[in-house]
Amino acid sequence: QKEVEQDPGPLSVPEGAIVSLNCTYSNSAFQYFMWYRQYSRKGPELLMYTYSSGNKEDGRFTAQVDKSSKYISLFIRDSQPSDSATYLCAMTASGAGSYQLTFGKGTKLSVIP
Amino acid sequence: GAVVSQHPSWVICKSGTSVKIECRSLDFQATTMFWYRQFPKQSLMLMATSNEGSKATYEQGVEKDKFLINHASLTLSTLTVTSAHPEDSSFYICSASGGTTNTGELFFGEGSRLTVL
Repeated sequence: QKEVEQDPGPLSVPEGAIVSLNCTYSNSAFQYFMWYRQYSRKGPELLMYTYSSGNKEDGRFTAQVDKSSKYISLFIRDSQPSDSATYLCAMTASGAGSYQLTFGKGTKLSVIP
Repeated sequence: GAVVSQHPSWVICKSGTSVKIECRSLDFQATTMFWYRQFPKQSLMLMATSNEGSKATYEQGVEKDKFLINHASLTLSTLTVTSAHPEDSSFYICSASGGTTNTGELFFGEGSRLTVL
């Protein structure tokens, strides 16, 4: 079993839809969870960052972490064509000073106008 | 956020030649930089961790003699793919930490696409 599992998609939704992206993981030591957005042929950019369990909201984006289920989600409300990208979940076990992230494969999202 | 620049953004080379990729932190000092490789439809795989002024730490399975990493200053790390072969064709991405204790604050370069003929 891979440490981080993420459905690669592709996922295609109409503009304005609510998008749900998910990752599961097996390492119970993971405590820091990130979502990155990667446009084609570009490096990833950090979207959301959460520590331990709970929810975090930033504009149209909401990140959820359920450590008991080892499951994390990213919700995008009122999706826009500009949201079309690959979304990568990433996580790490240690705190400050440890940046060695374990990434999911990424989910390719297309938002159709 | 902080800016990390990679150069070149894409390169094509012949088999057996060496290719150097640069990663620069433009507006902050990066004591640690990371090099990743990403194959199509695969996740980013960490290759090595580069600390300024010391030898890089390579992940298991990554040949340190093939992928030479130099982190000579707080703003520059280089990855040299020596004697490149077609199987080395990939997307190479660097990231840098900006000195913050926030584990999520990793800034990524734009990536460098290497094609070995």
